[in-house]
Amino acid sequence: QVQLVQSGAEVKNPGASVKVSCKASGYTFTGYYLHWVRQAPGQGLEWMGWINPNSGATKSAQTFQGRVTVTRDTSISTAFMELTGLRSDDTAVYYCAKAAPIGASTSLFDNWGQGTLVTVSS
Amino acid sequence: QSALTQPASVSGSPGQSITISCTGTSSDVGGSNYVSWYQQHPGRAPTLMIYDVNHRPSGVSPRFSGSKSGNTASLTISALQAEDEADYYCSSFTNIITYVFGTGTKVTVL
Repeated sequence: QVQLVQSGAEVKNPGASVKVSCKASGYTFTGYYLHWVRQAPGQGLEWMGWINPNSGATKSAQTFQGRVTVTRDTSISTAFMELTGLRSDDTAVYYCAKAAPIGASTSLFDNWGQGTLVTVSS
Repeated sequence: QSALTQPASVSGSPGQSITISCTGTSSDVGGSNYVSWYQQHPGRAPTLMIYDVNHRPSGVSPRFSGSKSGNTASLTISALQAEDEADYYCSSFTNIITYVFGTGTKVTVL
């Protein structure tokens, strides 16, 4: 079965960077888009960006103004999300989500990781 | 990209039907057939309920249905059950090849 297993919780100082990993199994990693979504405590979902694991092409939300970088390592079926210049309002649970097959005319986030809590505090 | 607008809360009694709206613009909901809905229970990751406006993944109850008119998409839950109590989020593909989520709706079963 499809599984997305994320790295563990992180505590960071303001201004630092964090890199969260998402290891995929149970499907062809390079065949499906992979997205990142975050949720601040008590708040709603916020889309961050996607990666095409096959080509490495990415797209991020303008909100993050270049602070977010999504990469992948196909040899270990793992995607990464790095967020720089951390602020207190970046404190959130960060999710990866498997999306549509590459090239398909459909759109959905059908499998989600368990979430990674990133706390930004001095 | 601003979040899509959803009512903060919707409630209903068991057996009733409720509808959650999701209002965007012509740059997202109005211009896309890629609208999806997610259910989230407290402390859990979201789960997909509807995709491509009105398609239901295998395993999702037929009590859940989706539709769209203009810039507003809707999720209807019929024959409301206690287990449906959760937060619900819509999502839409946008004309700049990004995604946007709705503000979220808390569904309460009375």
